[in-house]
Formats: sequence, structure tokens, C-alpha cells
Amino acid sequence: DAEITQSPRHKITETGRQVTLACHQTWNHNNMFWYRQDLGHGLRLIHYSYGVQDTNKGEVSDGYSVSRSNTEDLPLTLESAASSQTSVYFCASRGGGRTQYFGPGTRLTVL
Amino acid sequence: QKEVEQNSGPLSVPEGAIASLNCTYSDRGSQSFFWYRQYSGKSPELIMFIYSNGDKEDGRFTAQLNKASQYVSLLIRDSQPSDSATYLCAVNPSATGAGSYQLTFGKGTKLSVIP
Repeated sequence: DAEITQSPRHKITETGRQVTLACHQTWNHNNMFWYRQDLGHGLRLIHYSYGVQDTNKGEVSDGYSVSRSNTEDLPLTLESAASSQTSVYFCASRGGGRTQYFGPGTRLTVL
Repeated sequence: QKEVEQNSGPLSVPEGAIASLNCTYSDRGSQSFFWYRQYSGKSPELIMFIYSNGDKEDGRFTAQLNKASQYVSLLIRDSQPSDSATYLCAVNPSATGAGSYQLTFGKGTKLSVIP
């Protein structure tokens, strides 16, 4: 079955380290999104991509970057992790319809 | 700033009752509206979407949209304890142009169905 996966599911890192969170979908969707979810803030868009080589900043993009080298993957990189980036991160994808489908999430703790 | 507002709850209803969840949005040009359910520790899952004014029914769920009032709601009939979750309202802010596939989410309403 087609699906969207994220790895790792849990990550603990230290302040200042570079961290990459993986997102992989097998639906062949062009549109992919990264969100973070925090208590009191809900889901907020970090970056999104509408196709290979296309990337765009979302509402809370500072300190994050993405790259899209193929249709299936949109890795999210934290260049220098900060404690404020402790959060749950969700990847989502969208095909020809209007619905976004979410991955299982990655819980990131920055100490 | 385009905003989506929801009452954070918790909203408590007895089993078998109708649960009514409400959402307002600020962008009058919004085109598509979505309701997601999120269980604790899990990812959001789509319940239903609505594009046109009026009601849309899917099983025990009914979405209602009033674009003039910038208001969308979700009714859950015959509420079950398994419906206990956080319900997220999401809005697609525009039909065309850059950013047209983005969703803006409300902070969610926590629903508790009491057996």
C-alpha cells in the first residue's frame, strides 16, 4: 500500500548539532509539506515543495531548510538545533485532490 | 495574517449525544475547508472536507459551511467514546497562485465523550 513514512520517530540531540528528519512517500505526490506542532500553537507550516527542485518557506522557516531531489523524499534539516526547536514534526503530502495526508510524526528533543 | 480560530475546549458530551465543533476563519477568499481528527500521540487524519455552502454528511459526521459568516462546523451524531480526540479545522486560503495548496490550521478542540 502507498504510504508516507518519517524517520526517526524519536530523536534526542544537543544544542548546536545539525539534525535531518526524513520524509518518504510512495504515492508519487508532487506536493509535500513539513509542519511542527506545539502546545498552544497547533500545526504550523515550516517549508513546502510543489515538485522536484521546488522549495518554499512557510510560516516558521527560520533555522530550517529542505531540499527536493526526487518526488518521494523531502528531508528537513535543522542547521544548528536550538531548544526552541523541541517539537513534534509532521510531514504531509498531497496529490491531485485537495487533501493532505500526514506521516506518523517525529518527536524531537533538543537538550 | 490569515487565522483559523477554534474553541480549545475541552468539550465534554455524553455518549449518544451530538457533539458540535466550531471554527471561524479570517480569509474571506478561502476555498476549501477540512476537519482532521487527532488522537493523543498520533498524526492528524482526515475526517471530511467541504467546499460549498451548506451541509455535507458522511456517516455520523456532518460538516456545515457558511462562507458569508466565515464559519465552518462539524457535527458528530451518536457520539462514541472512541470519538474522544482533538479535532483540527484547516482552511485552504486561496484557489490559485503560489501557496494555493497550503493549509492553515486552528489550534484544535479537544472532545471528550463520556460513557
